[in-house]
This record gives sequence, C-alpha cells and structure tokens, in this order.
Amino acid sequence: DVKVTQSSRYLVKRTGEKVFLECVQDMDHENMFWYRQDPGLGLRLIYFSYDVKMKEKGDIPEGYSVSREKKERFSLILESASTNQTSMYLCASNSGTGIQLNGAFFGQGTRLTVV
Amino acid sequence: GNSVTQMEGPVTLSEEAFLTINCTYTATGYPSLFWYVQYPGEGLQLLLKATKADDKGSNKGFEATYRKETTSFHLEKGSVQVSDSAVYFCALSSSNTGKLIFGQGTTLQVKP
Repeated sequence: DVKVTQSSRYLVKRTGEKVFLECVQDMDHENMFWYRQDPGLGLRLIYFSYDVKMKEKGDIPEGYSVSREKKERFSLILESASTNQTSMYLCASNSGTGIQLNGAFFGQGTRLTVV
Repeated sequence: GNSVTQMEGPVTLSEEAFLTINCTYTATGYPSLFWYVQYPGEGLQLLLKATKADDKGSNKGFEATYRKETTSFHLEKGSVQVSDSAVYFCALSSSNTGKLIFGQGTTLQVKP
C-alpha cells in the first residue's frame, strides 16, 4: 500500500514563528502536493512539485514556501505564521502518469493552530 | 478554468435512507472524476473513480456515473449506515495540468 506520512497530527504555534510541515511518501512518486482544507472551501492547492527541486505555485501560495530536496520528501514552510493560517494541511502524492487513473494518495493531515 | 461544484451540506439522513450528493464540473479536455471520503480525524481516501464518459465507479455500495452531457458525477447509495458519516469530496484531474481540483465537500451525518 502507498503510504504518505505527515510528521505531525497536531501543531500549535505562535504568531510570527517559522513553521515546517513535513511529508514523506514511500512509492517513488514524482508528484507531491500540499493542500489546505477549510470548512466550506474544500481543499485548495498551495504548492506542488513534479520532481526534486521543482516547485510550482498552486491557487493560494501567499505566505507559504516549499522545499523538495529528495524525491520522497516535500516540506511546507510558513515563513511567519499568522492566525489566518490556522487550518488542516494535507499532503498528497502520485506518479505523473497515475493521476488520471488513481487520483492522489493522501496523508492523515496536520491540524495547525496559530495563536 | 477547471472547477467542481458540490451540493451544500450538511446532509442528515436516517439509517437505511437513500443518499444522493450532487456534483457538477467544468473542465477542458477529458478529465477523470473521483469521489473521496474523509472520516473524522483522518485524511482523504479514494472512494471511487471514473476515467471516461459513461463509466460507472462503485465501491462499498456507493456508485457514481460519469455523465459528459450533463457534466455531472453524482454520488449515490441505496441504504446508508451510521458508519458512512463523513465528509465527501468530488474531484477532477485533468491530464494537461496533472492536478486534482476539489469541490467544497459535503458533510453527511447518518442517525440511527
């Protein structure tokens, strides 16, 4: 089974802190994604990556950056956390050719609260 | 651009009732369509999928048919159970972007 693992289930951080959310997948997938989930808004794409050191902005990249130094790991960085970044963050991955057949595989999510 | 619209929730049903959650989409090209389910405190799991027009996806008693003429992919189940209580997301993927686009999600609550 494909496994996508997010490093934390719950995080509480203070306003202005630099926050790292880590995601690791074990299926050698090329594509990795970071989504943000908020009630009534569904999932919104923050950033995605097609390969190591490659990244592209999604629909809501402001206030975030990402890092992909190794194929299996995709990190989301909040440079200076703000209260409006309190949300559920979901990481996902899939092979480039698999997206049409299998969609994507998701981690369990990290619920981040910024106080 | 590509988009997905789901019916607003929450949807509250009694056990063994019939379920329909509406989903319509706008897309260029030939997208694949998916339903994902999110149980409380968990990530998203793929429930079912359809990759071309008139395909029917099915799993765990849930069904959805890819209707190109009405650009719809409605989720149905004949008899819901309390354990089906979850948030359901409709999504599409488009070969020219490689991304998944999600609807807003519909919360289903099934009461015994």
